[in-house]
Amino acid sequence: AQKVTQAQTEISVVEKEDVTLDCVYETRDTTYYLFWYKQPPSGELVFLIRRNSFDEQNEISGRYSWNFQKSTSSFNFTITASQVVDSAVYFCALSEVILAGANNLFFGTGTRLTVIP
Amino acid sequence: EAGVAQSPRYKIIEKRQSVAFWCNPISGHATLYWYQQILGQGPKLLIQFQNNGVVDDSQLPKDRFSAERLKGVDSTLKIQPAKLEDSAVYLCASSLRDSNSGNTIYFGEGSWLTVV
Repeated sequence: AQKVTQAQTEISVVEKEDVTLDCVYETRDTTYYLFWYKQPPSGELVFLIRRNSFDEQNEISGRYSWNFQKSTSSFNFTITASQVVDSAVYFCALSEVILAGANNLFFGTGTRLTVIP
Repeated sequence: EAGVAQSPRYKIIEKRQSVAFWCNPISGHATLYWYQQILGQGPKLLIQFQNNGVVDDSQLPKDRFSAERLKGVDSTLKIQPAKLEDSAVYLCASSLRDSNSGNTIYFGEGSWLTVV
């Protein structure tokens, strides 16, 4: 069964500090996709990144970076020089094909990040 | 490009009453999803449509929940009768196509339901 674990329930950092959010997943599929979403207080889930299981290249987008390690089934997310606007709940998710022509996202329980000014 | 639209944003009802939520996906997105997010948890899939057909509704409590997407565009999720444990955010989402497990799913702001 697919499973996503975000062991960090809440993290608080002071503005400008770097912070890493951990994500560990389990799947028996050889082809799968991993996602990170941000959920600000407004409630909308904002897509941040998608990574397929064959692409282990790390990615950087501005202050955001992602470290995908298939050997440890981890897909960690780092925010560099955090800002107050980064305060939100961050979800890691795993996509699998559940039926022919159908896919589903399995979410972790989320990590609440608070950036203190 | 307009995002996924949902209404109402907030709803408070008494248990055993009924409620309906509406969703309009991103234009051109064939696949539409309804997720339930209970406070402190990640979203869980309730039902998935491909155009106007149901692809997966295995997690939908069919004794009280129903959903439709009659014309393959917007969708309605109904709960009747509501229970206290239905208090949650109901997130609608859409994606361009679902033949690939990696399609990005885009979410609306959600409809917050409180059952008292």
